Amino acid sequence: QSALTQPASVSGSPGQSITISCTGTSSDVGSYNLVSWYQQHPGKAPKLMIYEGSKRPSGVSNRFSGSKSGNTASLTISGLQAEDEADYYCCSYAGSSTFEGYVFGTGTKVTVL
Amino acid sequence: EVQLVQSGAEVKKPGESLKISCKGSGYSFTSYWIGWVRQMPGKGLEWMGIIYPGDSDTRYSPSFQGQVTISADKSISTAYLQWSSLKASDTAMYYCVRRVGATKTPFDWGQGTLVTVSS
Repeated sequence: QSALTQPASVSGSPGQSITISCTGTSSDVGSYNLVSWYQQHPGKAPKLMIYEGSKRPSGVSNRFSGSKSGNTASLTISGLQAEDEADYYCCSYAGSSTFEGYVFGTGTKVTVL
Repeated sequence: EVQLVQSGAEVKKPGESLKISCKGSGYSFTSYWIGWVRQMPGKGLEWMGIIYPGDSDTRYSPSFQGQVTISADKSISTAYLQWSSLKASDTAMYYCVRRVGATKTPFDWGQGTLVTVSS
């Protein structure tokens, strides 16, 4: 199971929208509608922002949205705010006959200019 | 409120053993899978394995099979991650995470346990 591919960094000005891509394979992202996205601020535990590709947990701002097409999932942050500056990781379920687990993305550092 | 509270930071020498813990509260501990995730310094997240405390069914990522042992004590709602012989390369932050049912989503995360292995 290889890590999902994310851009190393994405930046935007306050109020703008940015999109982070997450590319996997037909064995993970492409096989399941089970992609989740996590926000991690320095020194903190990851926080779930999106699950099942596009669903938001209670309490997460509707400025965060997710989608998927084929083997690529995406996270869009609209109305970018200073507090959105963090690392973001995608994650896909990757279960098979020999593996019951997940594969994470390489991580993207979001910078608010 | 669902909470996963992990044990405190550890400093160990190479070759020593270690067991860190993750105590769940606010939900039925035996009904949800608990996973472990490694984050090496300045690096990304890596899936290590998962356990179902109800029957101790455990599944390991191939990268971690044989390197660590995952267990659980349902009588005290606690999951464990242990090493029999630590290496410097085990230095990392370790998170436990609760997987939520049909969503198969690693939903709730512990605060993390920093393990430092140095001679």
